[in-house]
Parts: sequence; structure tokens; C-alpha cells
Amino acid sequence: DQQVKQNSPSLSVQEGRISILNCDYTNSMFDYFLWYKKYPAEGPTFLISISSIKDKNEDGRFTVFLNKSAKHLSLHIVPSQPGDSAVYFCAASDNTGKLIFGQGTTLQVKP
Amino acid sequence: SQTIHQWPATLVQPVGSPLSLECTVEGTSNPNLYWYRQAAGRGLQLLFYSVGIGQISSEVPQNLSASRPQDRQFILSSKKLLLSDSSFYLCAWSVLARDTQYFGPGTRLTVL
Repeated sequence: DQQVKQNSPSLSVQEGRISILNCDYTNSMFDYFLWYKKYPAEGPTFLISISSIKDKNEDGRFTVFLNKSAKHLSLHIVPSQPGDSAVYFCAASDNTGKLIFGQGTTLQVKP
Repeated sequence: SQTIHQWPATLVQPVGSPLSLECTVEGTSNPNLYWYRQAAGRGLQLLFYSVGIGQISSEVPQNLSASRPQDRQFILSSKKLLLSDSSFYLCAWSVLARDTQYFGPGTRLTVL
């Protein structure tokens, strides 16, 4: 039972354009969402988070949007840079504090 | 600032051998600690978490166990490794149970 799903295993974007990574969840009790970035053979690095009381959170080039009615969140990276090429994981947390991760989306930003 | 360490970075072990992976956190007290596993091409699977010394919760019944002998030390163990234990193991910490989790560099375990 996959409670957090990233349906696109990979995404390729041209440098300077927008990257949009998507994530869907099924558990309506989730109230805190996070995005992590991961390079091969390294631990995930926290990027940005959003609470369920908000629908948007922005940090530099990264913006996370939350649509609670659709149980959908997305990460926008503008402008995309070659160094953004990595695997991106979305994660969700309920009041137990445990994080449930999606399967990840591999982003490739082409120069 | 807080830092999290894991060792070893890579490990190759024969089937049936024991395992001990160590994780330590610096710069914080009484952190929540977590062990995850990432199989190739898959997401992160929570294995164990701990809210304090000697307090371990298991998420997935398996061949592994965890212990927290000190406040900032978290150990992942196995008495007899299986081929299916080959994976990338990650330790993480957070201040509170509902907080952002911060990950260590990971250990690549290969069981032959």
C-alpha cells in the first residue's frame, strides 16, 4: 500500500527552464510534507517543506505547492541548473511523526 | 551546528555473518533517531526509530535489530546476514517527532 506516490520515475529538463516534480498521497491525516534531494551514494538532503495549513512555500529557486483537495503536491525549480540533477523524494508525515517516502523521481537537467 | 556520522561507508559481508552499523549525532541532545533502507530504484523504507535511550520501535519485521546504548548513538545489527539485506542504509535524526529529519551519508552494504 503505497501512501505516497511519485508516478514519474524520471524527468529531463533543459537548463534554465522550469522543473516540476509531482507527488500524490492517499492518507488525509498527513499534515506535513517535505522534499529531499539525493545524489548517488549520499544521504538525502532536506530541500523544502510545507505544512497542511499552507498551499505554497517558497525558498529561492524552489517552491512547493500543496493541493489538499487533490491530495497532490509539487516541487517547482526555476530556473533549473545542471547541479539540480539528482533523485528527488517527497515525504509525508502524520501526527505520529514518521515520514513516508515516495519512490523518487530522477531529474536530469541538460546544459 | 549538528552533524550526523555513519560508518562504515561501504561494507561487503558474507551471507550468515553478523552486522553492526553505527550512527552518531553531534551538536544536539535527545534527538529522535531513525534507520532507513533504500533498495535500488525504490524509496526509503523506515526500519526503526527511537525517541530515547533504550527505546526502539520496529516498523518492519525482518532479520535486523536496532539499539540505542547512548543518547546520540544508534546501532543497526544483524546476527546472520541474508542476501536480501544488501541495500543502502541511512540513519537520520530530528529534534522532535514531527520535525524535519536530517540524514547521514549512508552505508552501502553488499552481502555475497
